[in-house]
Amino acid sequence: DAGVIQSPRHEVTEMGQEVTLRCKPISGHNSLFWYRQTMMRGLELLIYFNNNVPIDDSGMPEDRFSAKMPNASFSTLKIQPSEPRDSAVYFCASSTTSGNTQYFGPGTRLTVL
Amino acid sequence: AQSVSQHNHHVILSEAASLELGCNYSYGGTVNLFWYVQYPGQHLQLLLKYFSGDPLVKGIKGFEAEFIKSKFSFNLRKPSVQWSDTAEYFCAVLRGRQGGKLIFGQGTELSVKP
Repeated sequence: DAGVIQSPRHEVTEMGQEVTLRCKPISGHNSLFWYRQTMMRGLELLIYFNNNVPIDDSGMPEDRFSAKMPNASFSTLKIQPSEPRDSAVYFCASSTTSGNTQYFGPGTRLTVL
Repeated sequence: AQSVSQHNHHVILSEAASLELGCNYSYGGTVNLFWYVQYPGQHLQLLLKYFSGDPLVKGIKGFEAEFIKSKFSFNLRKPSVQWSDTAEYFCAVLRGRQGGKLIFGQGTELSVKP
């Protein structure tokens, strides 16, 4: 099993640019989660999907952030426009049901200059 | 506010020392409890989990944790640490009827001196 796949692993961009992070969950998992990790705030859940439907997006910081899950094997997290305070590691995780163990991807380290 | 609290921000131990990392949560009702480990530069990996049954759970790499409901605690233990245990450890709580929303503690960085 390839595990959760995220791309890119590292992204460096300039303030104001659009950033798109990608995630492929483990095959057969029907729940997908986006987290952000920073030194100041630790690990925060941004949004999660069940069966491609967003269930809870209360953690999304502001309208600049959006997430989609067009099918069971792909999700994107978009930041437009990006700001330096968005610099963080963004993790994607998946699970078989919303109540079970979550498996994390390797993360995308985002740096906004 | 409801939260997950890890008592120690940074723990430094020598090899073969015993380890106990504290975790307390403030949710009532049914909870599922997890410990994850993040080795330097890597992603989070599951160490162990508690859903129900025996409150003493054993995980990978010799780790164990004890759920004490009356104390709202889920402390992580290992009798003898190794240099390779150097990592950051996260406690997390999944509220039983809240779907997939894992709430993480702030993490404890463990440094093991050879």
